[in-house]
Amino acid sequence: DTAVSQTPKYLVTQMGNDKSIKCEQNLGHDTMYWYKQDSKKFLKIMFSYNNKELIINETVPNRFSPKSPDKAHLNLHINSLELGDSAVYFCASSQGFYMSDTQYFGPGTRLTVL
Amino acid sequence: KQEVTQIPAALSVPEGENLVLNCSFTDSAIYNLQWFRQDPGKGLTSLLLIQSSQREQTSGRLNASLDKSSGRSTLYIAASQPGDSATYLCAVSSSGTSYGKLTFGQGTILTVHP
Repeated sequence: DTAVSQTPKYLVTQMGNDKSIKCEQNLGHDTMYWYKQDSKKFLKIMFSYNNKELIINETVPNRFSPKSPDKAHLNLHINSLELGDSAVYFCASSQGFYMSDTQYFGPGTRLTVL
Repeated sequence: KQEVTQIPAALSVPEGENLVLNCSFTDSAIYNLQWFRQDPGKGLTSLLLIQSSQREQTSGRLNASLDKSSGRSTLYIAASQPGDSATYLCAVSSSGTSYGKLTFGQGTILTVHP
């Protein structure tokens, strides 16, 4: 009965590889987000999709490409991984994209690039 | 650009103490402010959401206040318990930003020891 789930939970990979993180929500929400939490614990938004359409795209390298096959899924694909990509990536969802909508977070994926 | 700062970075208290966590933000033009709890290896859980027109919100032993004009919020935890040990994050949704974009502080790591 997990509301927002992410796979994998841990990901260890070499520099230069391409990897994907998957996110699924079973809350029936229309909006999904990807956040990055760096080593200093700051959480920063990367992307947001509403009904499969991109609505927020922060200054993120184009090596990061989100894909939303349907409104219940938002996957994050990362090309040519770099050491600085090591972080915890959180997926979240909300009913709508308005600022009043509470966001529900997944458990996070800890990515380590060696 | 909105910046959110939380003080202290870490706090250790004996069980039963009342405590206050502080959050400050640089741009007072906010839509709402949220307090989240983050447990190790888990996602974020929303604790309290205060709309910009409100001054406080209460949930059980938690009370959050908001002084928008001075750019400050406090989270008060009464009669702390070891189960309250976690990282507490403050996040603001700024007026004029696109949709549900949250700006987070770096968090306060709380340890309540028996």
